[in-house]
Amino acid sequence: KQEVTQIPAALSVPEGENLVLNCSFTDSAIYNLQWFRQDPGKGLTSLLLIQSSQREQTSGRLNASLDKSSGRSTLYIAASQPGDSATYLCAARMNRDDKIIFGKGTRLHILP
Amino acid sequence: EPEVTQTPSHQVTQMGQEVILRCVPISNHLYFYWYRQILGQKVEFLVSFYNNEISEKSEIFDDQFSVERPDGSNFTLKIRSTKLEDSAMYFCASSEGLQGYEQYFGPGTRLTVT
Repeated sequence: KQEVTQIPAALSVPEGENLVLNCSFTDSAIYNLQWFRQDPGKGLTSLLLIQSSQREQTSGRLNASLDKSSGRSTLYIAASQPGDSATYLCAARMNRDDKIIFGKGTRLHILP
Repeated sequence: EPEVTQTPSHQVTQMGQEVILRCVPISNHLYFYWYRQILGQKVEFLVSFYNNEISEKSEIFDDQFSVERPDGSNFTLKIRSTKLEDSAMYFCASSEGLQGYEQYFGPGTRLTVT
Protein backbone atom coordinates (compact mmCIF):
# COMPACT_ATOMS: atom_id res chain seq x y z
CA LYS A 1 0.00 0.00 0.00
CA GLN A 2 1.41 3.36 -1.01
CA GLU A 3 2.33 5.73 1.80
CA VAL A 4 3.31 9.34 1.16
CA THR A 5 5.25 11.17 3.85
CA GLN A 6 6.26 14.80 4.07
CA ILE A 7 8.97 16.10 6.35
CA PRO A 8 9.10 18.49 8.07
CA ALA A 9 5.50 18.98 9.14
CA ALA A 10 6.16 22.69 9.59
CA LEU A 11 8.89 25.08 8.53
CA SER A 12 9.60 28.75 9.18
CA VAL A 13 12.20 30.61 7.14
CA PRO A 14 13.10 34.29 6.68
CA GLU A 15 11.92 36.01 3.53
CA GLY A 16 14.32 35.77 0.60
CA GLU A 17 15.76 32.37 1.48
CA ASN A 18 15.69 29.42 -0.85
CA LEU A 19 14.09 26.32 0.65
CA VAL A 20 13.39 22.67 -0.06
CA LEU A 21 10.32 20.67 0.90
CA ASN A 22 10.59 16.91 0.97
CA CYS A 23 8.19 14.17 -0.04
CA SER A 24 8.82 10.44 0.10
CA PHE A 25 6.76 7.51 -1.11
CA THR A 26 7.05 3.82 -0.34
CA ASP A 27 6.08 2.29 -3.69
CA SER A 28 8.17 3.43 -6.65
CA ALA A 29 5.56 2.24 -9.19
CA ILE A 30 4.08 5.69 -9.44
CA TYR A 31 2.65 7.11 -12.62
CA ASN A 32 3.16 10.74 -11.65
CA LEU A 33 3.53 13.03 -8.69
CA GLN A 34 1.70 16.31 -8.15
CA TRP A 35 2.51 19.18 -5.80
CA PHE A 36 -0.30 21.34 -4.42
CA ARG A 37 -0.62 24.44 -2.34
CA GLN A 38 -3.39 24.78 0.25
CA ASP A 39 -4.20 28.04 2.00
CA PRO A 40 -5.98 27.82 5.38
CA GLY A 41 -9.59 26.70 4.95
CA LYS A 42 -9.24 26.74 1.18
CA GLY A 43 -9.03 24.32 -1.72
CA LEU A 44 -6.01 22.82 -3.41
CA THR A 45 -4.08 24.67 -6.08
CA SER A 46 -2.02 22.50 -8.40
CA LEU A 47 1.55 23.74 -8.66
CA LEU A 48 3.46 21.15 -10.64
CA LEU A 49 2.92 17.70 -12.09
CA ILE A 50 5.90 15.42 -12.77
CA GLN A 51 5.43 12.32 -14.88
CA SER A 52 7.32 9.19 -13.86
CA SER A 53 9.54 9.53 -16.93
CA GLN A 54 10.59 13.05 -15.96
CA ARG A 55 13.25 14.18 -13.52
CA GLU A 56 12.01 17.69 -12.84
CA GLN A 57 9.51 20.38 -13.65
CA THR A 58 9.81 24.13 -13.25
CA SER A 59 7.26 26.90 -12.90
CA GLY A 60 8.55 30.36 -12.03
CA ARG A 61 10.33 30.20 -8.68
CA LEU A 62 9.26 26.60 -8.13
CA ASN A 63 11.18 23.52 -9.17
CA ALA A 64 10.07 19.99 -8.41
CA SER A 65 12.27 16.95 -8.81
CA LEU A 66 11.45 13.26 -8.84
CA ASP A 67 13.69 10.30 -8.06
CA LYS A 68 11.59 7.16 -8.38
CA SER A 69 14.37 4.78 -7.43
CA SER A 70 14.85 6.42 -4.05
CA GLY A 71 11.15 7.16 -3.58
CA ARG A 72 11.64 10.91 -3.22
CA SER A 73 10.45 14.18 -4.59
CA THR A 74 11.49 17.68 -3.59
CA LEU A 75 9.91 21.06 -4.12
CA TYR A 76 12.43 23.87 -4.31
CA ILE A 77 11.20 27.41 -3.73
CA ALA A 78 13.60 30.17 -4.70
CA ALA A 79 13.69 33.62 -3.11
CA SER A 80 10.79 32.92 -0.76
CA GLN A 81 8.16 35.59 -0.15
CA PRO A 82 5.56 36.04 2.61
CA GLY A 83 2.89 35.16 0.04
CA ASP A 84 4.40 31.69 -0.23
CA SER A 85 3.14 30.93 3.29
CA ALA A 86 0.74 27.99 2.95
CA THR A 87 0.61 24.23 3.34
CA TYR A 88 2.30 22.32 0.53
CA LEU A 89 1.01 18.85 -0.30
CA CYS A 90 2.51 16.21 -2.50
CA ALA A 91 0.38 13.45 -3.99
CA ALA A 92 1.39 10.32 -5.87
CA ARG A 93 -0.64 8.57 -8.51
CA MET A 94 0.00 4.85 -8.90
CA ASN A 95 0.04 3.00 -12.19
CA ARG A 96 -3.48 2.02 -13.27
CA ASP A 97 -5.11 3.93 -10.40
CA ASP A 98 -7.53 6.81 -10.73
CA LYS A 99 -6.86 8.19 -7.28
CA ILE A 100 -3.95 10.20 -6.00
CA ILE A 101 -2.53 9.55 -2.54
CA PHE A 102 -1.67 12.57 -0.47
CA GLY A 103 0.94 13.31 2.11
CA LYS A 104 -0.06 15.25 5.19
CA GLY A 105 1.71 18.37 3.99
CA THR A 106 4.37 20.79 5.13
CA ARG A 107 3.07 23.99 6.69
CA LEU A 108 5.38 26.74 5.48
CA HIS A 109 5.67 30.15 7.14
CA ILE A 110 7.81 32.83 5.51
CA LEU A 111 8.90 35.45 8.02
CA PRO A 112 8.83 39.03 6.69
CA GLU B 1 -9.05 30.47 -16.58
CA PRO B 2 -11.51 27.58 -16.22
CA GLU B 3 -11.97 26.31 -12.68
CA VAL B 4 -13.89 23.75 -10.70
CA THR B 5 -16.65 25.27 -8.60
CA GLN B 6 -18.46 23.81 -5.61
CA THR B 7 -21.62 24.71 -3.72
CA PRO B 8 -22.36 25.34 -0.97
CA SER B 9 -19.12 26.53 0.60
CA HIS B 10 -20.38 25.49 4.02
CA GLN B 11 -23.19 23.11 4.93
CA VAL B 12 -24.43 22.41 8.43
CA THR B 13 -26.71 19.44 8.90
CA GLN B 14 -28.07 17.28 11.69
CA MET B 15 -26.99 13.69 12.14
CA GLY B 16 -29.14 11.34 10.08
CA GLN B 17 -30.04 13.90 7.45
CA GLU B 18 -29.25 13.57 3.76
CA VAL B 19 -26.94 16.08 2.12
CA ILE B 20 -26.04 16.71 -1.49
CA LEU B 21 -22.80 18.43 -2.33
CA ARG B 22 -22.56 19.97 -5.77
CA CYS B 23 -19.70 20.49 -8.15
CA VAL B 24 -19.31 21.93 -11.60
CA PRO B 25 -16.16 20.44 -13.16
CA ILE B 26 -14.15 22.12 -15.90
CA SER B 27 -16.22 21.87 -19.05
CA ASN B 28 -14.00 19.74 -21.32
CA HIS B 29 -12.94 17.36 -18.55
CA LEU B 30 -14.04 13.75 -18.64
CA TYR B 31 -12.96 12.38 -15.25
CA PHE B 32 -14.44 13.50 -11.96
CA TYR B 33 -13.43 12.81 -8.39
CA TRP B 34 -14.44 13.39 -4.80
CA TYR B 35 -11.96 13.62 -1.96
CA ARG B 36 -12.40 14.56 1.68
CA GLN B 37 -10.18 16.05 4.34
CA ILE B 38 -11.06 15.63 7.98
CA LEU B 39 -9.68 18.53 10.00
CA GLY B 40 -5.96 18.06 10.61
CA GLN B 41 -5.74 14.92 8.52
CA LYS B 42 -4.68 13.94 5.02
CA VAL B 43 -6.77 14.47 1.92
CA GLU B 44 -8.37 11.09 1.17
CA PHE B 45 -9.76 9.74 -2.08
CA LEU B 46 -13.44 8.78 -2.10
CA VAL B 47 -14.48 8.02 -5.67
CA SER B 48 -13.75 8.58 -9.33
CA PHE B 49 -16.36 8.77 -12.08
CA TYR B 50 -16.08 8.40 -15.82
CA ASN B 51 -18.54 7.81 -18.61
CA ASN B 52 -21.48 7.95 -16.19
CA GLU B 53 -20.24 5.29 -13.87
CA ILE B 54 -17.95 4.84 -10.90
CA SER B 55 -14.53 3.73 -12.05
CA GLU B 56 -12.83 3.45 -8.66
CA LYS B 57 -13.87 3.90 -5.05
CA SER B 58 -12.20 3.68 -1.67
CA GLU B 59 -13.25 1.72 1.38
CA ILE B 60 -14.59 5.00 2.81
CA PHE B 61 -17.16 5.18 -0.01
CA ASP B 62 -19.73 2.82 1.46
CA ASP B 63 -23.44 2.43 0.77
CA GLN B 64 -24.35 5.74 2.37
CA PHE B 65 -22.48 7.59 -0.38
CA SER B 66 -23.53 7.97 -4.00
CA VAL B 67 -22.45 10.10 -6.93
CA GLU B 68 -24.32 11.31 -9.95
CA ARG B 69 -23.90 13.45 -13.00
CA PRO B 70 -27.51 14.57 -13.40
CA ASP B 71 -26.87 16.77 -16.43
CA GLY B 72 -24.02 17.84 -18.65
CA SER B 73 -22.41 20.13 -16.11
CA ASN B 74 -23.06 19.10 -12.51
CA PHE B 75 -21.44 16.32 -10.50
CA THR B 76 -22.93 15.55 -7.10
CA LEU B 77 -22.02 13.64 -3.96
CA LYS B 78 -24.92 12.47 -1.81
CA ILE B 79 -24.57 11.28 1.75
CA ARG B 80 -27.80 9.51 2.69
CA SER B 81 -27.71 9.53 6.48
CA THR B 82 -24.95 11.72 7.81
CA LYS B 83 -22.88 10.79 10.85
CA LEU B 84 -20.77 12.99 13.08
CA GLU B 85 -17.63 11.51 11.54
CA ASP B 86 -18.69 12.70 8.08
CA SER B 87 -17.77 16.23 9.16
CA ALA B 88 -14.96 17.22 6.82
CA MET B 89 -14.00 19.35 3.87
CA TYR B 90 -15.16 17.69 0.65
CA PHE B 91 -13.26 18.47 -2.51
CA CYS B 92 -14.37 17.84 -6.05
CA ALA B 93 -11.75 17.47 -8.77
CA SER B 94 -11.72 16.92 -12.50
CA SER B 95 -9.19 16.01 -15.15
CA GLU B 96 -9.08 15.99 -18.92
CA GLY B 97 -7.87 12.43 -19.09
CA LEU B 98 -6.82 9.73 -16.71
CA GLN B 99 -3.17 8.97 -16.24
CA GLY B 100 -0.75 11.71 -17.10
CA TYR B 101 -3.24 14.48 -16.51
CA GLU B 102 -3.42 16.94 -13.63
CA GLN B 103 -6.37 16.85 -11.35
CA TYR B 104 -7.85 20.29 -10.75
CA PHE B 105 -9.55 20.81 -7.42
CA GLY B 106 -12.47 22.97 -6.39
CA PRO B 107 -12.47 25.20 -3.30
CA GLY B 108 -14.28 22.58 -1.22
CA THR B 109 -17.47 22.33 0.79
CA ARG B 110 -17.10 22.29 4.54
CA LEU B 111 -19.66 19.85 5.93
CA THR B 112 -20.47 20.09 9.61
CA VAL B 113 -22.68 17.37 11.09
CA THR B 114 -24.16 18.19 14.50
